[in-house]
This record gives sequence, C-alpha cells and structure tokens, in this order.
Amino acid sequence: QVQLQESGPGLVKPSQTLSLTCTVSGGSISSGGYYWSWIRQHPGKGLEWIGYIYYSGSTYYNPSLKSRVTISVDTSKNQFSLKLSSVTAADTAVYYCARVGGVVAASNWFDPWGQGTLVTVSS
Amino acid sequence: VIWMTQSPSLLSASTGDRVTISCRMSQGISSYLAWYQQKPGKAPELLIYAASTLQSGVPSRFSGSGSGTDFTLTISCLQSEDFATYYCQQYYSFPFTFGPGTKVDIK
Repeated sequence: QVQLQESGPGLVKPSQTLSLTCTVSGGSISSGGYYWSWIRQHPGKGLEWIGYIYYSGSTYYNPSLKSRVTISVDTSKNQFSLKLSSVTAADTAVYYCARVGGVVAASNWFDPWGQGTLVTVSS
Repeated sequence: VIWMTQSPSLLSASTGDRVTISCRMSQGISSYLAWYQQKPGKAPELLIYAASTLQSGVPSRFSGSGSGTDFTLTISCLQSEDFATYYCQQYYSFPFTFGPGTKVDIK
C-alpha cells in the first residue's frame, strides 16, 4: 500500500523559501496514473490545496499561491517537492502531501495522505 | 472559485446517535465531492468520493448523498472513534476547495 512521508525544515525565516519533500513508498510515481499533491492547513483552520504534479512534470497550482509555488518531481528518488518563496507568518501551517485519486477529473480526491509536517515562519 | 459551507460547524452528539452533516456549494458540481475525517494531530482520511461511494475499508455506517449544490454525510450509529472533524472537498473545478469543517464532539 502506498505511503507518503513529508520531510524538511520545521522553521523558516520570513522572506525565505520553504522547501519540503514527499517520499513515496509502496508504489512508483513514474508508473503514472496519479497526480501528486500538496495541501496545507493553518493552525486550527481548514484545508487549502496548493497544487499537484504528474510524473511527467506537468503541474497545476492554486492561483492564490501560483506566483510563489513550484512543485517538482524526482522519479529516480520516488519523491516530489514543494518550494514556496517569500514566505510570511501567514504561511505557517501543517503541510501535507497526498496522492490524487486518478488523472481523470472525476478522480481528483486525495488518498492517501502523509502524516503532515508543521512549518513555522518566524525570525 | 467554488465556495463551500458546512453546517453545523459544531455538532454535539452521543454514541449511538444518527448524525447528519451538510455541505453546500456556491455553484453546481455534479457529484464531484469527497468527504474526509480528521482526528486531532492526524492527517485527514478519505471516507467517501463521488458524493456517495464509500472508500474501501470505511465502515458502512458512513454514507453520503446529494448532487449539484447540496450534499450530506450521514453517520448512522455514532461510535466513539467517530468523534472528529469532517471536511467536504469539491473537485469539479480548479482550484480544488474544502469546506470549513464540522466538528463532532461528545455531548
């Protein structure tokens, strides 16, 4: 069964770039059939979809974050990554990676999810 | 952007109760809706997709219904492990969005 695990710094300074990696086990990103996504949750708040990537490198981002977000994939390591630039305190959140249900529009739910990692933006 | 509301935001219930959570869309989304359960300190878990299809391994006391703009998650007989926060998510159009959540706690 597919499992996802986020990793990266838990503390980022304002104006710097947040960088996280999601390692996938139990399945291969390069086999296709799924998009791979990042989602965040501000402390005590709801969920915000950040974007997703296919193994080929094609991406789609939430327009609210698009100018600051880059999602990339490394199929050799079975990983995909998130970079969020020019962070502020408003980017403090738990960041989750997740697999999208399928590549067709009718399958764009999220399952499974990684356990999440808290990133705090503070000097 | 499709906006979503959930009601109630907080639901106090007892074990054995039948509970219903509503999710309403700002525009029609056919049946492109998923429901998730999140427990404190944990990642959300998929319960239902396509508005009414139960994810594998999810107990049959959970059910979903609706299409268009109005959707419902029902737990037929609340168990102790069901006290959690529930979110709906639309995947009809970009950007994918989530409802604000409904917390189910112990009465």
